[in-house]
Amino acid sequence: DTAVSQTPKYLVTQMGNDKSIKCEQNLGHDTMYWYKQDSKKFLKIMFSYNNKELIINETVPNRFSPKSPDKAHLNLHINSLELGDSAVYFCASSQVGADTQYFGPGTRLTVL
Amino acid sequence: AQSVTQPDIHITVSEGASLELRCNYSYGATPYLFWYVQSPGQGLQLLLKYFSGDTLVQGIKGFEAEFKRSQSSFNLRKPSVHWSDAAEYFCAVGAQGDDKIIFGKGTRLHILP
Repeated sequence: DTAVSQTPKYLVTQMGNDKSIKCEQNLGHDTMYWYKQDSKKFLKIMFSYNNKELIINETVPNRFSPKSPDKAHLNLHINSLELGDSAVYFCASSQVGADTQYFGPGTRLTVL
Repeated sequence: AQSVTQPDIHITVSEGASLELRCNYSYGATPYLFWYVQSPGQGLQLLLKYFSGDTLVQGIKGFEAEFKRSQSSFNLRKPSVHWSDAAEYFCAVGAQGDDKIIFGKGTRLHILP
């Protein structure tokens, strides 16, 4: 069984559209994260949730909104997509904040 | 401020040669230290981690790392690399009670046949 899964794996869309990426973990972890990895492979944390509560909200545009229906799921909704949003988005989970993080396979978002 | 530095953006070694990837950190507390590997098109996978105890840590795929508090370093080593080790390597640091870990910018490892 996949520990951290994301859907879709690839997402190609036009500027101005709204899209969502879903993430699920079956590890029983309390904390989940969204990261953005740019073309230079730099990994930047965007959000963190602990037991459905928002813990970390880095300087991310308001167009990005995370939603955690339960502690096993953390979805990312992006409004009014821009060219600069093109990147690979990774979901991750851990038991606590500073513990080992388990990463999903990533979602490559391309905005045309 | 807490930070992680990986001084080498790219490293190229020949297959069969030894490898050392550098990682330096700046952290106020006793750190938790991690090395992750990202193969092309894949997510990050944990290679090894240090929380406490023996400062020489063994990981998967034949990797090891040594925590040197005096040098604020956690360098990753492998005695003989394989072509399949070509990947991006990330060092990360956190501490007990933190709500996240901080990743370095990564080192891309290239392997020459």
